[in-house]
Amino acid sequence: GQNIDQPTEMTATEGAIVQINCTYQTSGFNGLFWYQQHAGEAPTFLSYNVLDGLEEKGRFSSFLSRSKGYSYLLLKELQMKDSASYLCAVVDSNYQLIWGAGTKLIIKP
Amino acid sequence: DTAVSQTPKYLVTQMGNDKSIKCEQNLGHDTMYWYKQDSKKFLKIMFSYNNKELIINETVPNRFSPKSPDKAHLNLHINSLELGDSAVYFCASSQETKITDTQYFGPGTRLTVL
Repeated sequence: GQNIDQPTEMTATEGAIVQINCTYQTSGFNGLFWYQQHAGEAPTFLSYNVLDGLEEKGRFSSFLSRSKGYSYLLLKELQMKDSASYLCAVVDSNYQLIWGAGTKLIIKP
Repeated sequence: DTAVSQTPKYLVTQMGNDKSIKCEQNLGHDTMYWYKQDSKKFLKIMFSYNNKELIINETVPNRFSPKSPDKAHLNLHINSLELGDSAVYFCASSQETKITDTQYFGPGTRLTVL
């Protein structure tokens, strides 16, 4: 079967750095997305990785290792507004989008 | 201006009823999607549709049917609603038909079946 694993919940402090991990086992790989979803709102796009390595975009960075089936989302200089769920989604060989359940990130002052 | 909009935002109805959720995108995108997000927060794709092809997730009951009057609209019609249909339904769109394209989501419709 196809599987996306993320921690259910994480807590971090305002101003700090947090890394949210995602591991996947899918039938093939055609890219990995990270989306942010605030409570009661729609998911919004953060990043898309298809090649190995780190991609930086402001305070957010996303890393991919295809050989390890592993990605992480790195959030720096955490702000209270970063409290949200972070969804990892993988495109498999059939170009189906497989979603993880998301990691709820709680930011404390 | 809202890029992807859905109506209604909340929908409460009785088992056995038929209901529709409307979705419109003003991004000029070619492809639209419907997702169901259950209480465990998993997003499950139900349909993807462009003006050439409808792709149906085979696990979706045939009580659910997408209807597209034009490229900017993809409505979701649900017949004979069941308790298990209670969830948040998201519409989304992307520029092209490739699933690797960034998807833009609507605000969601919270459906409660009593």
